[in-house]
Amino acid sequence: GDSVTQMEGPVTLSEEAFLTINCTYTATGYPSLFWYVQYPGEGLQLLLKATKADDKGSNKGFEATYRKETTSFHLEKGSVQVSDSAVYFCALLGGGADGLTFGKGTHLIIQP
Amino acid sequence: DAGVIQSPRHEVTEMGQEVTLRCKPISGHNSLFWYRQTMMRGLELLIYFNNNVPIDDSGMPEDRFSAKMPNASFSTLKIQPSEPRDSAVYFCASSPGTARSPLHFGNGTRLTVT
Repeated sequence: GDSVTQMEGPVTLSEEAFLTINCTYTATGYPSLFWYVQYPGEGLQLLLKATKADDKGSNKGFEATYRKETTSFHLEKGSVQVSDSAVYFCALLGGGADGLTFGKGTHLIIQP
Repeated sequence: DAGVIQSPRHEVTEMGQEVTLRCKPISGHNSLFWYRQTMMRGLELLIYFNNNVPIDDSGMPEDRFSAKMPNASFSTLKIQPSEPRDSAVYFCASSPGTARSPLHFGNGTRLTVT
């Protein structure tokens, strides 16, 4: 079945550091890929998405490129802020499924 | 757009009691999903509805769990009887139901069963 693997956290960085959160997936067909962010006490919010190979999703300074050859969708940001502290979930929507398959989440902590 | 609305935000109950969680999806969205979030297992899809009809409930852990969607604007997730291992955050999400459309999540219900 479909699965998503993302790096374990917590990831602790200083403000203005470069961020990479790795995500790889296993799926049949051609899934769509998503990054969701969850701030404390809130539900998940869509951060960005990509629906086909080589697409780049971007939002709020975050980027991720759909790499079919490496089955990856790594999240990057050039300069993180304290307000980026949250849990980040990589997810996929498979060709035949109606529900998202989520990774376990990566807790990001940004220190001033 | 009010977003997906869940109630209550927090629920504390004793083992053996019935618990009902409520969800109002975004108006016009055809698909509704119930997820459970725990530290050990992350996010798990419990059940989803399309046009008020349950499509896949294979994620429902036991017969103690049941979900209904009597109309397009309301869904419930019921646990009867509740057990301490049911303690988790339960999220409802909705989507327009079109292909590849992302989900919109509510803020969740934090359930504690003592």
